[in-house]
Amino acid sequence: DSGVTQTPKHLITATGQRVTLRCSPRSGDLSVYWYQQSLDQGLQFLIQYYNGEERAKGNILERFSAQQFPDLHSELNLSSLELGDSALYFCASSSGQGEKLFFGSGTQLSVL
Amino acid sequence: QKEVEQDPGPLSVPEGAIVSLNCTYSNSAFQYFMWYRQYSRKGPELLMYTYSSGNKEDGRFTAQVDKSSKYISLFIRDSQPSDSATYLCAMKEISNTGNQFYFGTGTSLTVIP
Repeated sequence: DSGVTQTPKHLITATGQRVTLRCSPRSGDLSVYWYQQSLDQGLQFLIQYYNGEERAKGNILERFSAQQFPDLHSELNLSSLELGDSALYFCASSSGQGEKLFFGSGTQLSVL
Repeated sequence: QKEVEQDPGPLSVPEGAIVSLNCTYSNSAFQYFMWYRQYSRKGPELLMYTYSSGNKEDGRFTAQVDKSSKYISLFIRDSQPSDSATYLCAMKEISNTGNQFYFGTGTSLTVIP
C-alpha cells in the first residue's frame, strides 16, 4: 500500500458528462501529480500541484482541470467527456525534496 | 528527441534468467533515478531509487546509473514468473518544490515457468 488513496476505483459514464476524480496524498506529501494511462500506452503527465499551487502542466486538455485543497487532497475534473477519454487515471504524491513518486491504485474511467 | 528513451520490448525470458532493462536520457540535470514495476491495470510500484551515480542492490534487484553515458539499468537475478510486469524507468531534477518526473514508455517483461 503506497499510502496514496484514489476514489472511485471505477467510473462508467456517458459522452458529454462531467466527472470528478479524488486523490488523497501520503501523509506529509505536499506535491500531487495526475497522470493518464490509455490502454497499452505509457504514463502521460497531466498536471502537478505543490501545497495548493499549480507547479507544472503537461498534456492536459482544456476540458480537464484540477485543484489541490488546503488539506492537500486533490481533485481532477473531466468535462464534456469523449470516448477517447477512457483510460486509467493515476494520482501520485512525492516526498521530502520531491525525489520519489508514490502512486495510487488509479481510477478506471470508461466513457460509453 | 524524448527526454527518456526505453525499449518497449516485449521481453520474454525463462525462469531463473538474468534480466537487463535499460533507459537512456538526454537531460544531464537529472539526479534522481527510479524504477517502477506495474502489473496490468495497477498503479506503478516504486521498486528501486538511486540518487546520482552508482549501484544499488536490493535482494534480486540491482539498479545502476552511469551519468557519464546518461544510461541507467535494472538487473533482475533469478527471475520469477511473479516478475512478469511492465517496468518503467523515471528520472527527475533536484527541486524543493517538485517538478516533473520523466518516465520511459515501459518494458513489458514475461518470465516463463
